[in-house]
Order: sequence, then structure tokens, then C-alpha cells
Amino acid sequence: DTGVSQNPRHKITKRGQNVTFRCDPISEHNRLYWYRQTLGQGPEFLTYFQNEAQLEKSRLLSDRFSAERPKGSFSTLEIQRTEQGDSAMYLCASSIKQGSSTDTQYFGPGTRLTVL
Amino acid sequence: AQSVTQPDIHITVSEGASLELRCNYSYGATPYLFWYVQSPGQGLQLLLKYFSGDTLVQGIKGFEAEFKRSQSSFNLRKPSVHWSDAAEYFCAVGAGTGGGNKLTFGTGTQLKVEL
Repeated sequence: DTGVSQNPRHKITKRGQNVTFRCDPISEHNRLYWYRQTLGQGPEFLTYFQNEAQLEKSRLLSDRFSAERPKGSFSTLEIQRTEQGDSAMYLCASSIKQGSSTDTQYFGPGTRLTVL
Repeated sequence: AQSVTQPDIHITVSEGASLELRCNYSYGATPYLFWYVQSPGQGLQLLLKYFSGDTLVQGIKGFEAEFKRSQSSFNLRKPSVHWSDAAEYFCAVGAGTGGGNKLTFGTGTQLKVEL
């Protein structure tokens, strides 16, 4: 168990550019979550997957945000036409959902995005 | 909609002193409650969780929390704080088993430990 990993750890980009972040969950975890954390705030839920299915994406901040988990393993979060307001820490978490029990999320180190 | 309030933005304690961080939640059903800790520039580490059963739960690093349904609270405690406990602490409530267990976090409490 190597934990949740995220790459890159830091990304600096210019306004208007597209960026993509990757999250590798804990092996055999079937759920994967994305959150955004701005300065001085707690993380804010964006979207989540169970296996390869994206079960909720209503909280994605705009149509510039999209996420995929094509084979039910790693996931990518893409932001198109970045804006300065997108500057934040993007956190990924994974969990294992079994039966009717609730799941516990384990977080990665995050990707810090700075939009100039 | 669920929500979490952490009334204390900053707390300073002396090393060796006891600690209590407050958390109040709002949720219409049985809450699933969590405490996470975040060191600067890092992700979140799970300290402890409450799903059901005994209302006093033990976690890592000597932390414990008590669920009080009547007060809608889930306060985090530690009897003797160490300098390495300085970090930001987040309380969260989960939506539970009905769908994704998406977490709603409070705004966090920054803990400073004086030597």
C-alpha cells in the first residue's frame, strides 16, 4: 500500500492554458474523489467515480472542468482555459466501497495550481 | 444540505497541555464524521472516524473524539499536546452510504503549539 499519489505536485500556468492533473489511487480502491481547496478553506467536493463510472459531477465548478477514470484505476482532472480563480490545491482521495458499509477516504498530497 | 462549523480558526496551546477542538455539524440523517489533519503544503491524514456504536472513538497519535447527537457535536481531544501536533485540523461529515460518501468539511482550525 503506497498511498494515493498525485502528479504533478505543483503546476504554474498562464491564464487561458489547459492543465491536466493525475491521481493514482490506492491499489484495489474502487472509489476515487476529487476536491478543491482554496486558501483558508476546507476541501470542497468536485466529483467522484466508482470504478470507471462518474457518479456525480454536478459539483464540478464549470464546464471548463472535466474528469475521467478510463479503466477504473488512475484518474485525470482537466481544466480548460484556466483563470486566476482556479488557483487552488486539487486533492484526490480514494476508498473502497464494499456492500452497504460507508467508505473512508484516504487523501493524496495534492496538486498546487497557480494561474498567472 | 449538510454543513460543518469549526468555531475556532486559530488555537494556541502549550506543549504538554490538553487540547479540545470543536466541531458542530448539521445533517438530516445519521452522520458519518471524520477528523483529518493537514500539515503545510500536504494532503489530509485521517485521524479518526465515527460511523456508529461507541460514541467515544480513538484515533491515531493519541487523539480521541466524542460524538454527541444532542449537541450535534464531534469534538476532538488530546490529553497532552506535542510540538509535532502543530497543523491544521479539519472536521468533516459524510453523506453516507446512500450514494457517494462525499465529504463536507469545516473551514479548519489552525493549531499552534508553544514550547
